[in-house]
Amino acid sequence: AQTVTQSQPEMSVQEAETVTLSCTYDTSENNYYLFWYKQPPSRQMILVIRQEAYKQQNATENRFSVNFQKAAKSFSLKISDSQLGDTAMYFCAFMKPQQGGDGLTFGKGTHLIIQP
Amino acid sequence: SQTIHQWPATLVQPVGSPLSLECTVEGTSNPNLYWYRQAAGRGLQLLFYSVGIGQISSEVPQNLSASRPQDRQFILSSKKLLLSDSGFYLCAWSDFPGEQYFGPGTRLTVT
Repeated sequence: AQTVTQSQPEMSVQEAETVTLSCTYDTSENNYYLFWYKQPPSRQMILVIRQEAYKQQNATENRFSVNFQKAAKSFSLKISDSQLGDTAMYFCAFMKPQQGGDGLTFGKGTHLIIQP
Repeated sequence: SQTIHQWPATLVQPVGSPLSLECTVEGTSNPNLYWYRQAAGRGLQLLFYSVGIGQISSEVPQNLSASRPQDRQFILSSKKLLLSDSGFYLCAWSDFPGEQYFGPGTRLTVT
């Protein structure tokens, strides 16, 4: 079974700063997907970014980018020029694609607070 | 575009009462569907998933059951609720393989 670990329960930074959230995972699979989801106070889960394990290039989405280290099983999220609206819980998630079912395995989350 | 609905948004039920939560998806066909539960201060735990009508797989033994009577409808049920069933329930859909898209969730409080 896969496990996902987020070692930072809470982080706080000033607006406009850059922040990096950590995530490590454990798997024996070679083909998989990794995701970062954002959960604001509304509790709606919003996809932030995805990474396919077979791709060496790190994914980027505007101010969000990842540092994917497959050998180290590390998948960190960097948020540049942080904004007040980035305040939320952030969850790292792992998925092994399989036809019979491909549910996500989530970490416990990091509560990110952006201070004005 | 695809949308996913869940209802009710909030529910307060006494111990021992039945439960029915509904999830529907619009704008796609034959999606994979999922039920997750989020306990207070914790991540999401996969409860059930379905790859087609009438096909349900359970990830953890529990007091809950799921059904998929139509292609884009997914129902979470219980015959008798326990206090431990309280939590935030999220439905999600995906086109295999790929990211999952979540509904707005149902907050269930069992009293």
